[in-house]
Amino acid sequence: AQSVTQPDIHITVSEGASLELRCNYSYGATPYLFWYVQSPGQGLQLLLKYFSGDTLVQGIKGFEAEFKRSQSSFNLRKPSVHWSDAAEYFCAAALNDYKLSFGAGTTVTVRA
Amino acid sequence: GAGVSQSPRYKVAKRGQDVALRCDPISGHVSLFWYQQALGQGPEFLTYFQNEAQLDKSGLPSDRFFAERPEGSVSTLKIQRTQQEDSAVYLCASSSLAGETQYFGPGTRLLVL
Repeated sequence: AQSVTQPDIHITVSEGASLELRCNYSYGATPYLFWYVQSPGQGLQLLLKYFSGDTLVQGIKGFEAEFKRSQSSFNLRKPSVHWSDAAEYFCAAALNDYKLSFGAGTTVTVRA
Repeated sequence: GAGVSQSPRYKVAKRGQDVALRCDPISGHVSLFWYQQALGQGPEFLTYFQNEAQLDKSGLPSDRFFAERPEGSVSTLKIQRTQQEDSAVYLCASSSLAGETQYFGPGTRLLVL
């Protein structure tokens, strides 16, 4: 069955430290891949997406993600987190051209 | 408006009541999606419209769930005879075309007592 897995339910990171969020997918073919962020009471905001081409994708707010076909992974990174990065992060995939499948999410807490 | 809007933002219903949730997509967006997000989970696809046509309703959990988009703009998700397991956040998203970036609204949080 097609699925997206985010192994980490909750990550705590110090402000200014680096952040990496893991995402693995299980699909018969390489899907389109996305990272979204959700702040309390807010809708999902797209951080970045991978369709094809360069496996290192740059997004908004200083985030980047690397697609690794051999590992079926699409991990999200940020070199230096800010307190405003505290939120819930969702990895998503779409094999068809519209139906997003989401992971369960990773909650990021930023400590001063 | 600049983004996707949803109303109401919060809805409390007694078990057995019918509810209607509204989504106003970004103006001109052809594609519209509904997702259900249970507490502590990622969103799950419910249904997809292209203009007024409902092209995929495979994610609707039961025949109590019904969605429409009669004029190809505003959409309504209706839940009949609500059950406690229907409690969730219902997210609407729109995109200019299928396959383009989906822009999400803030969601409607439904609590069924």
